[in-house]
Amino acid sequence: SAVISQKPSRDICQRGTSLTIQCQVDSQVTMMFWYRQQPGQSLTLIATANQGSEATYESGFVIDKFPISRPNLTFSTLTVSNMSPEDSSIYLCSVLIGGGEAFFGQGTRLTVV
Amino acid sequence: AQSVTQLDSQVPVFEEAPVELRCNYSSSVSVYLFWYVQYPNQGLQLLLKYLSGSTLVKGINGFEAEFNKSQTSFHLRKPSVHISDTAEYFCAVSDHDSNYKLTFGKGTLLTVNP
Repeated sequence: SAVISQKPSRDICQRGTSLTIQCQVDSQVTMMFWYRQQPGQSLTLIATANQGSEATYESGFVIDKFPISRPNLTFSTLTVSNMSPEDSSIYLCSVLIGGGEAFFGQGTRLTVV
Repeated sequence: AQSVTQLDSQVPVFEEAPVELRCNYSSSVSVYLFWYVQYPNQGLQLLLKYLSGSTLVKGINGFEAEFNKSQTSFHLRKPSVHISDTAEYFCAVSDHDSNYKLTFGKGTLLTVNP
């Protein structure tokens, strides 16, 4: 298993600003993922973040809006840039452990006003 | 491409009644299947998973699911639910070809009433 810590757990931000979310894992993992859960919705994958390479973004998500860093095998950040109220969501970090099992952080609840 | 369909958006049941939450998937290759639970204002917790082997999978909190390849289903069951099982339940699929990215269903809200 893996223990994942996300910071901040929640935030209220002004539109036009940016927020960086941190994800710390208690063990080294190759594959990390960032998901978005809009209010009342399911989870949508934003991007895959692998150490040593640029993040791979899913359709509808771009690096300028959601830049991702992956400096080592235990840490990643997701930035939500130039925020608008439509960005109000829960953002979740996930890691893949051997055998195809994914573990999730507790999420970051973002409200943009 | 893979997809997941959760046929029921809401399932209300009485306490101690049995429950089944339905999940169907589509994928062109061998899949891994998961059920996650999300309690109010919390993150996702893995209930159970099917990676290979026995098609009947037992998870935490008394839940189990059966992988049915011919019907492309992975329904979640519990013989007797508790008030504390009230939560959102997500079915998810991944496979090697998609680099193990999870595709989620829209979720089923299970409400257990006294």
